[in-house]
Amino acid sequence: EIVLTQSPDFQSVTPKEKVTITCRASQSIGKSLHWYQQKPDQSPKLIIKYASQSFSGVPSRFSGSGSGTDFTLTINSLEAEDAATYYCLQTSSLPRTFGQGTKVDIK
Amino acid sequence: EVQLVESGGGLVKPGVSLRLSCAVSGLTFTNAWMAWVRQAPGKGLEWVGRIKSNTDGGTADYAAPGKGRFTISRDDSKNTLFLQMNSLKIEDTAVYYCMAGVEYWGQGALVTVSS
Repeated sequence: EIVLTQSPDFQSVTPKEKVTITCRASQSIGKSLHWYQQKPDQSPKLIIKYASQSFSGVPSRFSGSGSGTDFTLTINSLEAEDAATYYCLQTSSLPRTFGQGTKVDIK
Repeated sequence: EVQLVESGGGLVKPGVSLRLSCAVSGLTFTNAWMAWVRQAPGKGLEWVGRIKSNTDGGTADYAAPGKGRFTISRDDSKNTLFLQMNSLKIEDTAVYYCMAGVEYWGQGALVTVSS
């Protein structure tokens, strides 16, 4: 089973600041890594698929990079509405696995 | 607009069975690989299993906690995904989400297993 480790677990950020979240895989997964945003009492929403592909309707301040074992989600110029928990998911092999989540709080 | 709507959740006792449904609209269901993901109260996301499209074989794969107890199936004529859960345990208590591909999620169905 591939283990995904996100860092940090929690981040408190000022609006307009840049946020970087990393997801490290226990073995190479190519670009089969996706990022989701989940707000309280809501279902997760896709923000980046296949490491760096944007998804329709997602603001351009969200971007992703990486391949192999190391991946990054970047939020440029954080807005208050970005307060949420962010998860990565790998679809390279079975079973699919998620990272433990990174909670982003607004100062 | 793509919509996934789960139903069938509820409060059940340990050992009983429950079947969740996920009605899908706005995408070509017959081509979609579908999955179930769950989230225990206050916890992270956990992949339950997935089923391929019938054109790709229609087979299902499961994470360890549900193997032998959970069965994922689909009815392409009704654009509906199912999760049959048998021998439910207290630790199966969670919100269960269906997913289409990697893109789309339902709103979730709460399953509470308690004596």
